[in-house]
Amino acid sequence: GAGVSQSPSNKVTEKGKDVELRCDPISGHTALYWYRQSLGQGLEFLIYFQGNSAPDKSGLPSDRFSAERTGGSVSTLTIQRTQQEDSAVYLCASSRQKNTGELFFGEGSRLTVL
Amino acid sequence: QKEVEQDPGPLSVPEGAIVSLNCTYSNSAFQYFMWYRQYSRKGPELLMYTYSSGNKEDGRFTAQVDKSSKYISLFIRDSQPSDSATYLCAMSEAGTDKLIFGTGTRLQVFP
Repeated sequence: GAGVSQSPSNKVTEKGKDVELRCDPISGHTALYWYRQSLGQGLEFLIYFQGNSAPDKSGLPSDRFSAERTGGSVSTLTIQRTQQEDSAVYLCASSRQKNTGELFFGEGSRLTVL
Repeated sequence: QKEVEQDPGPLSVPEGAIVSLNCTYSNSAFQYFMWYRQYSRKGPELLMYTYSSGNKEDGRFTAQVDKSSKYISLFIRDSQPSDSATYLCAMSEAGTDKLIFGTGTRLQVFP
């Protein structure tokens, strides 16, 4: 497909385990975003990659969260020592141009921490 | 106080009604304003995009921005059951592509 692809679509893990969430953006899109969506909280910005620039990590909630983007394409969001409050839908988006406001979102990875 | 405030609803209206969705914000540096629509279990998709103050119309949808009041609106005319979704406002400052989203308003249009 030509859209943003995320995996896994669902992940159930135990408290304290590490998880990795993957995002495959639309080909040719230079910008990649991670957001978190919790019930009643809207979309919370986590991190933003733009080309070869240093990522904007200002939204990462703690040092347990990290993300990387390899080769300017695929991105992995890693959550270490998961906590129950990390349970949410993690959405990835990509965009082609600056200042268009048009982000193309994947369907998200639903994380449940028991 | 959140940077962007949005009533979560739910808002339930009959088919054919005019719907008004609103957001307020506190950051006067916001220059770009967007509305996204999100269906259940799907990612948000861009519906409307406006720059600075003014109105923009696209079919049954009209977006309004009042920067002096820090208030934006989305109007849906002749609402349809297929419009049932969560509507999220989003905004960003000039020179950045980081979007700040509202919590979303859940809309239900019943036949």
